[in-house]
Amino acid sequence: GENVEQHPSTLSVQEGDSAVIKCTYSDSASNYFPWYKQELGKRPQLIIDIRSNVGEKKDQRIAVTLNKTAKHFSLHITETQPEDSAVYFCAASPTISGGYNKLIFGAGTRLAVHP
Amino acid sequence: EAGVAQSPRYKIIEKRQSVAFWCNPISGHATLYWYQQILGQGPKLLIQFQNNGVVDDSQLPKDRFSAERLKGVDSTLKIQPAKLEDSAVYLCASSLDDRGGGETQYFGPGTRLLVL
Repeated sequence: GENVEQHPSTLSVQEGDSAVIKCTYSDSASNYFPWYKQELGKRPQLIIDIRSNVGEKKDQRIAVTLNKTAKHFSLHITETQPEDSAVYFCAASPTISGGYNKLIFGAGTRLAVHP
Repeated sequence: EAGVAQSPRYKIIEKRQSVAFWCNPISGHATLYWYQQILGQGPKLLIQFQNNGVVDDSQLPKDRFSAERLKGVDSTLKIQPAKLEDSAVYLCASSLDDRGGGETQYFGPGTRLLVL
């Protein structure tokens, strides 16, 4: 079935360093790849997404890259700040019946940014 | 714009009891999702509605879980009877219309369920 693998499970960086989280997906028909940030006890919130017709997308300190051939995509956070500390989830969107898509989430990466 | 609303926020029950969760999506959102998030894991889709019809329920344990969205707006998710392994956060999300994919899903605050 559909599967999304996410690495690493935990990531610790110093403030100002960059952080990279990588995900691979199994369904080659997936066409949408969002990234969510979840702070402790809070709801997941979308931080950036990318569609399959685009290879890279950037929003200030956050960027996402997609390699459709290899079926993997990555989140890059530059100049990390303590408020970036959270759990980050990647997701892929395989097609289901009726032309709809659903989201399959990775297991998450706990990012800790130390001052 | 009001976000996705869920209630209750917390629930503690004993195993074999029943429980129900309620979700009110963002106004005008046709697609509604229920996810189960076990501690330390990513959200797992239980059921996806398009208006009042079910689009996907392949991961819903149908012997004990049920969900409905009768009027295509708010939705309820029920567990009967509950098991210890049902302890999790139940997240509701909604999007405008997910036909074709790529619609942003907005999550509610979740209901934290503890089964003793």
